[in-house]
Amino acid sequence: SQQGEEDPQALSIQEGENATMNCSYKTSINNLQWYRQNSGRGLVHLILIRSNEREKHSGRLRVTLDTSKKSSSLLITASRAADTASYFCAGIVTAGNKLTFGGGTRVLVKP
Amino acid sequence: DAMVIQNPRYQVTQFGKPVTLSCSQTLNHNVMYWYQQKSSQAPKLLFHYYDKDFNNEADTPDNFQSRRPNTSFCFLDIRSPGLGDAAMYLCATSPGGLSYNEQFFGPGTRLTVL
Repeated sequence: SQQGEEDPQALSIQEGENATMNCSYKTSINNLQWYRQNSGRGLVHLILIRSNEREKHSGRLRVTLDTSKKSSSLLITASRAADTASYFCAGIVTAGNKLTFGGGTRVLVKP
Repeated sequence: DAMVIQNPRYQVTQFGKPVTLSCSQTLNHNVMYWYQQKSSQAPKLLFHYYDKDFNNEADTPDNFQSRRPNTSFCFLDIRSPGLGDAAMYLCATSPGGLSYNEQFFGPGTRLTVL
């Protein structure tokens, strides 16, 4: 079963705009990760945030984590057409080696 | 470059005809995973190996088997593919241990069942 739900399921924006997507999860996690998947390809790791962290930045990416609400958000600033992809959150439950993925958000960045 | 390689990228098989998908890694990671991903869905973990220890997910059908003959290679065997097994199959690796690092994914094998 999926660990989380992602919102929205799909997002269409203009190049240069920011894209925000949210992830909610059900069980306690050790860390939460975000991955990107281009159409028909494998997943690429973007960023990892640990359960004792609240916010993390990497380039144009900003991730927040609220463990009390069991939720995370991914913000992509100044989006580019190359950011068009599906984005998945995935949690590693405490004392485990397994990722459980949310449903994903499909992002379309129009040039 | 260190990487995760999956062969073939596209596989067509017939209903009920056994098929094997291959994954190799040059990362020397302890853990190797197999995921099934159907169209517009999230990847679903089928099983994983921590070194030689096999860990099956409770809801993985018996039709799916795996072998890991050495650190570098891992195989997914589908004994009698059904139409519902058509999907993208993703292999991933991670170092393992307590740091719970990111997973490194291969490009996937898209399986078509006729």
